[in-house]
Amino acid sequence: AQSVTQLGSHVSVSEGALVLLRCNYSSSVPPYLFWYVQYPNQGLQLLLKYTTGATLVKGINGFEAEFKKSETSFHLTKPSAHMSDAAEYFCAVGGSARQLTFGSGTQLTVLP
Amino acid sequence: KAGVTQTPRYLIKTRGQQVTLSCSPISGHRSVSWYQQTPGQGLQFLFEYFSETQRNKGNFPGRFSGRQFSNSRSEMNVSTLELGDSALYLCASSTGQGGTNEKLFFGSGTQLSVL
Repeated sequence: AQSVTQLGSHVSVSEGALVLLRCNYSSSVPPYLFWYVQYPNQGLQLLLKYTTGATLVKGINGFEAEFKKSETSFHLTKPSAHMSDAAEYFCAVGGSARQLTFGSGTQLTVLP
Repeated sequence: KAGVTQTPRYLIKTRGQQVTLSCSPISGHRSVSWYQQTPGQGLQFLFEYFSETQRNKGNFPGRFSGRQFSNSRSEMNVSTLELGDSALYLCASSTGQGGTNEKLFFGSGTQLSVL
């Protein structure tokens, strides 16, 4: 069985500050790990994906995530927040890219 | 290249009715997956269709069903609607071939309200 825990349902940062969204997973087999973003009244957009290989994954819009197997974590970061980053972010795990188990989401607010 | 298209965008139904939602995948994609999103349960996998066959199924009652046509378009049906079925239903498409390069592309969803 696979599960995902996102720590913090709401995160607020100031514009220009570091964004850190936390995700821990449990999986009995090496998983695929994903971060998705959802803007209001829209579907989900893939930010980045970890499969195998390099543990630091770079995504779109300046986001990146580090896979730490020993900590079963896949935290999402961005060095400098922008107002347009305000959205809900979902971490997901799956044995394939199609059947995913999602975390409960983290709503990111960016303060001017 | 057109994205994933879901219709209708909004639906209002009453308890006991049935509803059909439609999803047109990205051209060339043969896999369509459906997810339910609610404030309480979050995003949950419903099922996946590939080449007109259900390949995977989530933990939902039999009132939830789907099908896929030869052009890869998919429909999802919910019968005997309950208040708890109110949700955003998201469709996602992919090539279905697996592998490390496979990605899900989501539509904007159908917002179903059951009164």
